[in-house]
Amino acid sequence: EIVLTQSPGTLSLSPGERATLSCRTSQNVSNTYLAWYQQKPGQAPRLLIYSASSRFPGIPDRFSGSGSGTDFTLTISRLEPEDFAVYYCQQLGSSPWTFGQGTKVEIK
Amino acid sequence: QVQLVQSGAEVKKPGASVKVSCKASAYTFMTFGISWVRQAPGQGLEWMGWISAFNGDTDYAQNLQGRVTMTTDTSTSTAYMELRSLTSDDTAIYYCARAGAVMTTHFDFWGQGTLVTVSA
Repeated sequence: EIVLTQSPGTLSLSPGERATLSCRTSQNVSNTYLAWYQQKPGQAPRLLIYSASSRFPGIPDRFSGSGSGTDFTLTISRLEPEDFAVYYCQQLGSSPWTFGQGTKVEIK
Repeated sequence: QVQLVQSGAEVKKPGASVKVSCKASAYTFMTFGISWVRQAPGQGLEWMGWISAFNGDTDYAQNLQGRVTMTTDTSTSTAYMELRSLTSDDTAIYYCARAGAVMTTHFDFWGQGTLVTVSA
């Protein structure tokens, strides 16, 4: 099983700041099979980024994904009030399709 | 627009079974798959398994093997997830999500979630 480790666990930032979220995988994952999701309280997860760097339609361009191999990053260039949420990475290259434990982005 | 609408909340006793439905609309059901993900209270996301609506192939998380069955009804564009021998550890919100029919690179649309509570 591929284990995904997200860091930090919690990120305390102010609106307008840049957020950098890390996802490290225990084995190499093809870029094709790395996705990022956002989840707000009481809501289902929402797809932000697929194939490591492709933005899903309707996702603002302040969200970007990068990385390869075992190190992947989600960047939010300038935080908007609606961006404070929990973010999960997921690998779908090898069954089971595992998720990271999540990074909470909270208002400082 | 693509929608996945799940069945309502359930309360079950330990040892019972639960069957959650997920009705798809606004896309060709048979050309995609459905994955199921659960989230225990205050916890992260746990992948449970996947079923292809194209050919019925399944892949289940090893820790649920023998207790979970995923099926589809292509005539109604509905996917089902049945979990048996419930314990309190199965208390969670259960989500369905659209996936690929053969290979999957992401889950692009999600159901609203179904809360399953297991309590004596």
